[in-house]
This record gives sequence, structure tokens and C-alpha cells, in this order.
Amino acid sequence: KAGVTQTPRYLIKTRGQQVTLSCSPISGHRSVSWYQQTPGQGLQFLFEYFSETQRNKGNFPGRFSGRQFSNSRSEMNVSTLELGDSALYLCASHNRPSGGAGETQYFGPGTRLLVL
Amino acid sequence: DAKTTQPNSMESNEEEPVHLPCNHSTISGTDYIHWYRQLPSQGPEYVIHGLTSNVNNRMASLAIAEDRKSSTLILHRATLRDAAVYYCILRDVNYGQNFVFGPGTRLSVLP
Repeated sequence: KAGVTQTPRYLIKTRGQQVTLSCSPISGHRSVSWYQQTPGQGLQFLFEYFSETQRNKGNFPGRFSGRQFSNSRSEMNVSTLELGDSALYLCASHNRPSGGAGETQYFGPGTRLLVL
Repeated sequence: DAKTTQPNSMESNEEEPVHLPCNHSTISGTDYIHWYRQLPSQGPEYVIHGLTSNVNNRMASLAIAEDRKSSTLILHRATLRDAAVYYCILRDVNYGQNFVFGPGTRLSVLP
């Protein structure tokens, strides 16, 4: 079974631009979560989608948004990029909404975004 | 979310056992203990999880204290490939919450 794929793997943008990142979950998984990883803040939860609906949202500004399609693929968008948005953006795929005994998340390799 | 405390870093020799501790003194009865690790330039990967009893799988063992206020991830024979950041995470089975990652423990494995 193929793992979680994220595209692109690397991206360079300038301040003020917007960016869209894509995540394809493991086949059959209906939940996708997004995380931001920076050296200073570590891994922080952005949002989670299940069956095209946002279920949870982390403490990030409205510039960060996402969506999920009927095939469970998910995209996240960051508008009006700031230098501090430079980070590794990780997508995690899971079989059902977060919670529940033994629920495991499978992470993709991430998209490394550099904002200049 | 209940908090976890881990040492910032640990070092081990190759082919020796490694015990990675995690303190979670405010754990609730419905919190599961999860361990993930992140190898360099990769996303985190699942290692093991448990609730009350000790757990074993092909990757590691999880030893949970009787009062559940601490746990230890045991790698039986460390290899160079085990060098990673190890995260101990608590997740309540009753609530739809995502993982809250702390800084983790950076494990170095010496040849």
C-alpha cells in the first residue's frame, strides 16, 4: 500500500505570495491532519479534515486554510506569506477521525517551504 | 492535553539497549501513551502505544509504570538507523484531539 504523498517537496516563495500544498493520504484513509514544524516551535497542529469537513483547528491565523476533496486528498493554503511561515509542513493520514483507542497517524515526508 | 516531559537528548552505543523515559504525572485514566519518532529529513513515524499494560512490537517495547505517571520506551538493540527524535504523546481516547508534540528526546547512536 502506498504511503502518504505530499507535493511539492520543496518550495520557495516571497513575502506576500500565497502557496498551496497537496497531500494524498493512504488509500482508504478518510482523515487528513496538517502540521507545521519549525526549529523554534516544533511540531504544531494546523487542522484536521474528515470526509471533506474540518473537524479540528489549531491556533493559527486565518491565512492558513485547507480543504479536503471527495477522494480524501487534501490541500492547505497559506495566503500573504510571511517570513515566519518558512517551515516543514507535514500531512498525516489516518483511518478515522482523531481519537479512539490505538488510532495511528501516518505522516508524509513533508513540504519544505522557504519564504524569502 | 496532559503534558509529557522528556530529556532533551540521550546517547547510546550501537547494539546496546536504550531506555527512553517519559514523565506524565497528570495523565488521566483515558489517556493513551503514544510514541513516535522522526528520523532526519522525514516525517514522524509510529513506534508503539499503550494504555496500562506493557506492550511489545517488532520495533520496541513500552514499559508503563503501575501508577501510569511515567513510561519508558525500550529499544532492545540500538542501530545507527534508530538515531532520531523520539516523541512521547498522550491522547485521550474520548476526545477527538490531535497529537500535541513536545520537543522530544534526540537520540544519538554511536558506532
